Amino acid sequence: NAGVTQTPKFQVLKTGQSMTLQCAQDMNHEYMSWYRQDPGMGLRLIHYSVGAGITDQGEVPNGYNVSRSTTEDFPLRLLSAAPSQTSVYFCASKAALTDTQYFGPGTRLTVL
Amino acid sequence: QKEVEQDPGPLSVPEGAIVSLNCTYSNSAFQYFMWYRQYSRKGPELLMYTYSSGNKEDGRFTAQVDKSSKYISLFIRDSQPSDSATYLCAMGRVEYGNKLVFGAGTILRVKS
Repeated sequence: NAGVTQTPKFQVLKTGQSMTLQCAQDMNHEYMSWYRQDPGMGLRLIHYSVGAGITDQGEVPNGYNVSRSTTEDFPLRLLSAAPSQTSVYFCASKAALTDTQYFGPGTRLTVL
Repeated sequence: QKEVEQDPGPLSVPEGAIVSLNCTYSNSAFQYFMWYRQYSRKGPELLMYTYSSGNKEDGRFTAQVDKSSKYISLFIRDSQPSDSATYLCAMGRVEYGNKLVFGAGTILRVKS
């Protein structure tokens, strides 16, 4: 099993550009989440999904869009990048009725 | 006020020391408590979790929860250089599924 994979590892964008961060898991987990990690802030939940076709907002959803068309994939879209979205983004997955979230290796995003 | 407060450190200790990492929280509705370890430029990995007040031991690690004081701790005995990482506390409620609230993380360095 590859676990949770994320692409790209690094990305530099200009203000106003859009892009999609990819996340995939091969563990057949129902739950998937996107977090951002900023210095001194810990991990903050952006969006999450409890199954294919079901998504909901987390703590900091503004400026981000998600969809879940399959169990395996949970892409995060930045609609119009802003410098405030410079961060490290982590995707995580979890099986229903369990506690352990498995995190991907992260995507480091810089918005100029 | 943040829901979860964690001293960011950094904490620097000699090899073999006992390490105490702590978090306080304000929301008494939290039902389960976790500690994640994050190595540099990697995703967090679950170290320990517990639902109840008291101690839970796993090898050199002990998680302690005091719900009456809204205080959790992670103790590391006989610390090793390989324990050098950022430690994040996280808390959640069963009815909120995989929505965790994270502390900011404490950077730990164990010197050999």
